[in-house]
Amino acid sequence: AQSVTQLDSQVPVFEEAPVELRCNYSSSVSVYLFWYVQYPNQGLQLLLKYLSGSTLVKSINGFEAEFNKSQTSFHLRKPSVHISDTAEYFCAVSDPGQGAQKLVFGQGTRLTINP
Amino acid sequence: EPEVTQTPSHQVTQMGQEVILRCVPISNHLYFYWYRQILGQKVEFLVSFYNNEISEKSEIFDDQFSVERPDGSNFTLKIRSTKLEDSAMYFCASRAVSYEQYFGPGTRLTVT
Repeated sequence: AQSVTQLDSQVPVFEEAPVELRCNYSSSVSVYLFWYVQYPNQGLQLLLKYLSGSTLVKSINGFEAEFNKSQTSFHLRKPSVHISDTAEYFCAVSDPGQGAQKLVFGQGTRLTINP
Repeated sequence: EPEVTQTPSHQVTQMGQEVILRCVPISNHLYFYWYRQILGQKVEFLVSFYNNEISEKSEIFDDQFSVERPDGSNFTLKIRSTKLEDSAMYFCASRAVSYEQYFGPGTRLTVT
C-alpha cells in the first residue's frame, strides 16, 4: 500500500525567508502527486499537482514542487513566504492505474510565518 | 467558481445515535469521496462512489457506514450507531474526469 511521509510536522520561518516542506512517498510505480493547503477553519484546497511531463510544477502564488522519481520525493518550495502562507500543507499521492484514485495523505506540515 | 458544500459544519451527537452528513458535490463531477481527519492525525480515505455504487472503501468503512446519492445532487454519509472514536472532521470531495479532487469545508463530528 502507498504511504506518504512528511518529515516535518511544524516549520516556523520568518516572513520573506525561503521555505521547503518535504514529502516522500513509498510507491515505486507511477503516481500522481498533489499538494493541498488548509487555511485555518477552511477545507483542503489544491495547491499544485504532478501528473506527468515536466518534473517541476508551479502554483499561481509562488509555490513550486519538483517530482524526483529516484528519491521518491515531491518537496514543496517557496523562495519568499508571506504571512498569508500560514497554513497546514498536505502532500498526497494517488495511483493512476486504480479506478477510484483515492488520495493517500501525509501527516501534514504546519507552516507558521513569523513577522 | 463552483465548489463542494457540506452541511452541517458542526454536528454534536450522543454515542449510539445515527448521523447523516451531507455534501453537494460540483454538479458535473462523476466521482465522489468521503475522507476523515481525526484531530492531530492524517486525512484518511473512507470511500469512493462512482456510477451510483461504491467503487472502493477502506477498512474504516465498516457496516456502520453507508453512502448514498439520493437525488442526483446530494451525497450523504450515514453512520448508524456512532462511537466516541468516530469524532473527526469529515471531508467530502468530488472530481470530474480529470484527476484533481475538490474538497468541501468539512463537517466536524463530535460524539459525546
